[in-house]
Amino acid sequence: QVNLLQSGAALVKPGASVKLSCKASGYTFTDYYIHWVKQSHGKSLEWIGYINPNSGYTNYNEKFKSKATLTVDKSTNTAYMELSRLTSEDSATYYCTRGWGGYYFDYWGQGVMVTVSS
Amino acid sequence: DIRMTQSPASLSASLGETVNIECLASEDIYSDLAWYQQKPGKSPQLLIYNANSLQNGVPSRFSGSGSGTQYSLKINSLQSEDVATYFCQQYNNYPRTFGGGTKLELK
Repeated sequence: QVNLLQSGAALVKPGASVKLSCKASGYTFTDYYIHWVKQSHGKSLEWIGYINPNSGYTNYNEKFKSKATLTVDKSTNTAYMELSRLTSEDSATYYCTRGWGGYYFDYWGQGVMVTVSS
Repeated sequence: DIRMTQSPASLSASLGETVNIECLASEDIYSDLAWYQQKPGKSPQLLIYNANSLQNGVPSRFSGSGSGTQYSLKINSLQSEDVATYFCQQYNNYPRTFGGGTKLELK
């Protein structure tokens, strides 16, 4: 069965960076895009961008272009998102999702809560 | 960016009732619309894609309809396990955007 296992919760200081992981299993990793979605305050959802694990091609929401960097490691079927220059506005739950192409999201990771605090 | 406006923001309904949630896009999205259900403390789950196609394993009491800029999610015969927040999402254009969510509670 398809599973996306995300790394554990992170507490990070303002100005620092954090790298989140998303390990995929139960399907051919290179056949589907991995998207990342931000959920603030347990309410609204924002699309950050996607990476094509086969080619490494990325497509970012303009809003997150200077904030997020998406990469993959095909040898371990793992996708990563690095968030840089963290502020309190980056405190949120972040999900990785499997994308049906670049379209909708058919499987989601369990989410990881990032808290930015000194 | 395409703006997705959901209504109502919250609603309360009784078991067995029929519920409708609306999603309005700021421009024509040509049925490139998905609906997700998010239960408290859980990840969102895909219910509907292409505006009216039911994802595998989703109960048939859920259905989607609409075209152009106006879409809706219908839940027939509301069950207790349907208590959740529902989101619409467009994938006609980048960036992908979501509605603000509709919180469904039991009356």
